[in-house]
Amino acid sequence: EVQLLESGGGLVQPGGSLRLTCAASGFTFSSYWMHWVRQAPGKGLVWVSRINADGSTTNYADSVKGRFTSSRDNAKNTLYLQMNNVRAEDTAVYYCTRESKIGSESDYWGQGTLVTVSS
Amino acid sequence: QSVLTQPPSVSAAPGQKVTISCSGTSSNIGSNYVAWYQQLPGTAPKLLIYDNNKRPSGVPDRFSVSKSGTSATLDITGLQTGDEADYYCGTWDASLTVVVFGGGTKLTVL
Repeated sequence: EVQLLESGGGLVQPGGSLRLTCAASGFTFSSYWMHWVRQAPGKGLVWVSRINADGSTTNYADSVKGRFTSSRDNAKNTLYLQMNNVRAEDTAVYYCTRESKIGSESDYWGQGTLVTVSS
Repeated sequence: QSVLTQPPSVSAAPGQKVTISCSGTSSNIGSNYVAWYQQLPGTAPKLLIYDNNKRPSGVPDRFSVSKSGTSATLDITGLQTGDEADYYCGTWDASLTVVVFGGGTKLTVL
């Protein structure tokens, strides 16, 4: 069974840093592109980033480019999102997702981890 | 402001059919298949339909999609109260090189 388990969320001050972790299991992690998608409270889905299977290629939304970095450790079946210089508008539930083998859609989602940026 | 445009809400009675639209441009919907996601209250989104009307295991064929040019449509027939959820369309935008989502549509089954 495919499982994605995010952790690392919490309260962080504006300008601070946080690292999110997504532990993957139930599939060959090293064969899949992975994404981060966020959802502010009461709002819609917003794509954040994606990383290719071997970690050599990343794409980011303009809103986080230069501040967030996605990386992975295929030996540990783990995806990371390093969040630096966070802003109030980064407050959201962050979901880790697996990209399907068909297209860019996310076929599995984690349960999400809440990041709150506030002083 | 989302790149893909969806109506904020739709509603219909149990047993009826509802249609949710998703409008984009030539660089996203016009050149890629659209995926649809269902988010039940208090839960994470789940993939509902993808590619050319493919459904993950467990998704009933009451859910179907169509696409014409730069617009896509999700049809839900035989509405059930358990279908009450937020529905999102999403696809790759080749011009922006990002994944784009619609703003979401809240379905109410009256």
